[in-house]
Amino acid sequence: SQQGEEDPQALSIQEGENATMNCSYKTSINNLQWYRQNSGRGLVHLILIRSNEREKHSGRLRVTLDTSKKSSSLLITASRAADTASYFCAAAWDYKLSFGAGTTVTVRA
Amino acid sequence: DSGVTQTPKHLITATGQRVTLRCSPRSGDLSVYWYQQSLDQGLQFLIQYYNGEERAKGNILERFSAQQFPDLHSELNLSSLELGDSALYFCASSAQGLLNEQFFGPGTRLTVL
Repeated sequence: SQQGEEDPQALSIQEGENATMNCSYKTSINNLQWYRQNSGRGLVHLILIRSNEREKHSGRLRVTLDTSKKSSSLLITASRAADTASYFCAAAWDYKLSFGAGTTVTVRA
Repeated sequence: DSGVTQTPKHLITATGQRVTLRCSPRSGDLSVYWYQQSLDQGLQFLIQYYNGEERAKGNILERFSAQQFPDLHSELNLSSLELGDSALYFCASSAQGLLNEQFFGPGTRLTVL
């Protein structure tokens, strides 16, 4: 079964708006990673947050991690059309990386 | 371009057949991972190799096997193929293990008819 579960399943926003997606996982983790996938292509790593970190920034991305709630969130600020993609969280535990079902983000021009 | 290469890009075959998917990791990466992505199952971890040794197993069927060779490239063998094996198969590599990000290849799209 999958460790990570994203919410919402799909998100449609206007260019310039912020997009927030959430991820929940089930067991203790080494770290939590976020990836982006453009339609049918390979996944691209976005950001990694370790279990002892609470927040991390990378450009327009902000990730938070709450290990007590076993949850993480990804915020994309000032979205662009090029941000249209599926976003996956992946929980790293026990030598495995377990992906959620993903959030499909559509950014409207 | 992630630096991870996969061949072939597309593969169409019939039920009962056997295929081999090939992956070359990024230069210097010792870990190779295989994933299966399908509409109904999502992205599933299959197996990981580290420097030639099997490190972790996920939801890999007994009909599937993999290996990592001394030059660090890896092959995923799928046998007795069924319609449900149709999926995108991704290979990823990382420098050491799960403490690092993974770099994904472009994938092999397998269609079983």
